[in-house]
Amino acid sequence: GAVVSQHPSWVICKSGTSVKIECRSLDFQATTMFWYRQFPKQSLMLMATSNEGSKATYEQGVEKDKFLINHASLTLSTLTVTSAHPEDSSFYICSAMGTSGRATGAYEQFFGPGTRLTVL
Amino acid sequence: AQSVAQPEDQVNVAEGNPLTVKCTYSVSGNPYLFWYVQYPNRGLQFLLKYITGDNLVKGSYGFEAEFNKSQTSFHLKKPSALVSDSALYFCAVRDAGTYKYIFGTGTRLKVLA
Repeated sequence: GAVVSQHPSWVICKSGTSVKIECRSLDFQATTMFWYRQFPKQSLMLMATSNEGSKATYEQGVEKDKFLINHASLTLSTLTVTSAHPEDSSFYICSAMGTSGRATGAYEQFFGPGTRLTVL
Repeated sequence: AQSVAQPEDQVNVAEGNPLTVKCTYSVSGNPYLFWYVQYPNRGLQFLLKYITGDNLVKGSYGFEAEFNKSQTSFHLKKPSALVSDSALYFCAVRDAGTYKYIFGTGTRLKVLA
């Protein structure tokens, strides 16, 4: 259980185009999903917290007009990189927070396999 | 503020030898601690977690970690390393107030045949 998928797994696009990345919780409902960005050989940087039915909360320094997040259902969150530029090339990872750990307060995150974005 | 430190950028160990990847943390309240492994161009794979209970936590692929409250450490260990264990390892702590994960900088483990 607790499987999270991302689509696509990799994408190459031209500068100036927009790219949408999907994050799905396959076997559980997730009221909260997180989007991370990872540069080569670096740690994960949290970009935003996505809550179903409400606006995402962005971390300081992350442009919300650049990285549009929509969490339309309890199993799907999307990240759209608008007007992508080469500096947006990165590995994007999402996670979904399950509720099964509510009793212990764990609220564990389950991670997707990541999406490699390359902007030419 | 919550924080996690992984003091070693890289750890080298010979195959068959025990391995330790270090992690120290700083949290207010009860710590929720996690270890993940990442292979090239892949997402994070869960190894183990400490929520409460036994200080020695056993996880996937023969890994274990010891929660030490007095030393605020949560070091990852394995009795006998395999070449296939070579990967990037992340320690994380869950922020008590926001449910966000705070990741360490990662430690690259290299197991030499």
